[in-house]
Amino acid sequence: DIQMTQSPSSLSASVGDRVTITCRASQGIGSYLAWFQQKPGKAPKSLIFAASSLQSGVSSKFSGSGSGTDFTLTISSLQPEDFATYYCQQYYSYPLTFGGGTKVEIK
Amino acid sequence: QVQLVESGGGVVQPGKSLRLSCAASGFTLSSYGLHWVRQTPVKGLEWVAVISNHGTIKFYADSVKGRFTISRDNSKNMLYLEMNSLRGEDTAVYYCARCGGDCNSVSAAIDYWGQGTLVTVSS
Repeated sequence: DIQMTQSPSSLSASVGDRVTITCRASQGIGSYLAWFQQKPGKAPKSLIFAASSLQSGVSSKFSGSGSGTDFTLTISSLQPEDFATYYCQQYYSYPLTFGGGTKVEIK
Repeated sequence: QVQLVESGGGVVQPGKSLRLSCAASGFTLSSYGLHWVRQTPVKGLEWVAVISNHGTIKFYADSVKGRFTISRDNSKNMLYLEMNSLRGEDTAVYYCARCGGDCNSVSAAIDYWGQGTLVTVSS
């Protein structure tokens, strides 16, 4: 199975900050990488697919980059509604696997 | 708009069975593969199973293989997960999720999620 490792597991940031989250795959996955946002008590929401493509309706303040084993999610200017937990997921091969999540909290 | 609504969760004893359902609307179901994904506070998000758009291809996580069965009825716009021989570690919120393509191959990301249904396995 492909292991997905996110860092950091949590971070504190202020409104307006630029935030970057990292995801590393245990083997090369090309660009078969998705990012999800989850707020407490809610279902995940799809943000990015193919490592850098925004899902329909997702704000352009979110951006993704990377290929192979190393990926990043960047939020350009953190807003109150962005405080949530973010997950990466590979869909290069089954079983699909998720990272452990990065909780973005208010400083 | 795309909607996925799960139902069928509840409290069940270890060793018993439960069937989850997911009602899909707002899109042509027969064009998309569908997943079940579960989540616990300890293990986080865990992929469970996938079924291709016409049901010809199915894959399962090792943790549920031989106990869970994924199926679909495109004529009823429904996805199902039959769960047998349930264990305490199956306790989770179960989400159905749409594959961004037919899921005949892996190469499409999840694009929509349902709201989830809680399954608690306890005596």
